[in-house]
Amino acid sequence: NAGVMQNPRHLVRRRGQEARLRCSPMKGHSHVYWYRQLPEEGLKFMVYLQKENIIDESGMPKERFSAEFPKEGPSILRIQQVVRGDSAAYFCASSRELENTGELFFGEGSRLTVL
Amino acid sequence: GQQLNQSPQSMFIQEGEDVSMNCTSSSIFNTWLWYKQDPGEGPVLLIALYKAGELTSNGRLTAQFGITRKDSFLNISASIPSDVGIYFCAGQLQYSGGGADGLTFGKGTHLIIQP
Repeated sequence: NAGVMQNPRHLVRRRGQEARLRCSPMKGHSHVYWYRQLPEEGLKFMVYLQKENIIDESGMPKERFSAEFPKEGPSILRIQQVVRGDSAAYFCASSRELENTGELFFGEGSRLTVL
Repeated sequence: GQQLNQSPQSMFIQEGEDVSMNCTSSSIFNTWLWYKQDPGEGPVLLIALYKAGELTSNGRLTAQFGITRKDSFLNISASIPSDVGIYFCAGQLQYSGGGADGLTFGKGTHLIIQP
């Protein structure tokens, strides 16, 4: 009974490189959310996706950041040309399709460090 | 945008004491949730509240959804060492279509228990 799976758990990139973070939702869940957490801060909403659709990307920076959730495979959060300020923990969460009660189940996060 | 004020920021208590923390919002939410995050892990859902005035318990934890829908509190009775961690409140609005936008998180309450 696997939970939300995220990989990599840790990622180190140099400025200007690309970072790709992957998230597989819980079985039976088709709603995926991405959040960013800075040290000593709460989680900030970035984007909400269903299969092949972006529902709400109001929290996503307009440049360099993109997210997808294809019909097959995991959801991907992509950060192009990373800068030091992108260093953070990125959490993925999922919820059920027909019973979206607001109960989100989180993965263990991907910690991005930009050198 | 929506903002959540969570207090206290940190708590130093003795094992066996009761704990109380709360969240207030400038906006109305339809759902309040309380999460706990351990170091290096993702948040884990503790309690979800869906109706104004609702009081819900989960073991030693009790949470209430404020009547105004702009606040919530979490109580932990008879604290034990494994209660140490960061507790986050989160509020959510739900679209009428059954989907949900992302959660808005408080900045967390750090709970430290002295044996």
